[in-house]
Amino acid sequence: NAGVTQTPKFQVLKTGQSMTLQCAQDMNHEYMSWYRQDPGMGLRLIHYSVGAGITDQGEVPNGYNVSRSTTEDFPLRLLSAAPSQTSVYFCASTLRGPGASYEQYFGPGTRLTVT
Amino acid sequence: AQSVTQLGSHVSVSEGALVLLRCNYSSSVPPYLFWYVQYPNQGLQLLLKYTSAATLVKGINGFEAEFKKSETSFHLTKPSAHMSDAAEYFCAVRARGSGNTPLVFGKGTRLSVIA
Repeated sequence: NAGVTQTPKFQVLKTGQSMTLQCAQDMNHEYMSWYRQDPGMGLRLIHYSVGAGITDQGEVPNGYNVSRSTTEDFPLRLLSAAPSQTSVYFCASTLRGPGASYEQYFGPGTRLTVT
Repeated sequence: AQSVTQLGSHVSVSEGALVLLRCNYSSSVPPYLFWYVQYPNQGLQLLLKYTSAATLVKGINGFEAEFKKSETSFHLTKPSAHMSDAAEYFCAVRARGSGNTPLVFGKGTRLSVIA
């Protein structure tokens, strides 16, 4: 299993540009989520999904869109990039269900810079 | 809402000394608790988790944590620090009962190990 994969690893955008961060997992996990990591702020939840076709907002959803058309993929879209979105983005997936402890498996991250 | 507080954004210890990283959670019902480690420029890796079995949980790399309900704490310890332990450590919590609740992270504690 490849686990959780993210592309690209690095990205530089200009203010106002849009882009999609890709996330895929091959563990058949129902639950997927996106976090951003900023110095001194820990990880903050942007959006999450409990299954194909179901998404919900996290703590910091503004400026981001998600969709979940398949179990495997959970892309994060930046509609109009702003310098405040400069961050490291992590995708994670979780195995849910009776007896599962809901530990999350993280991708390697995407480092995004908006100029 | 679930939350965790990590006391100390930066902890510095000498090689061979005891490592103690503090985490307190807020919840009326004992939640699932996790410790993750992040090495520089990498994603997060699970160190250990508490799911309601033994209150003393052993993890990888010689780390362990003790769940204390009376103190709402889940502190991470290691008897003897090694240079390779230098990293950022995150405590995280998830409420029991509903698989839809997301993982909530603390702001992290950076561990430095001095030779």
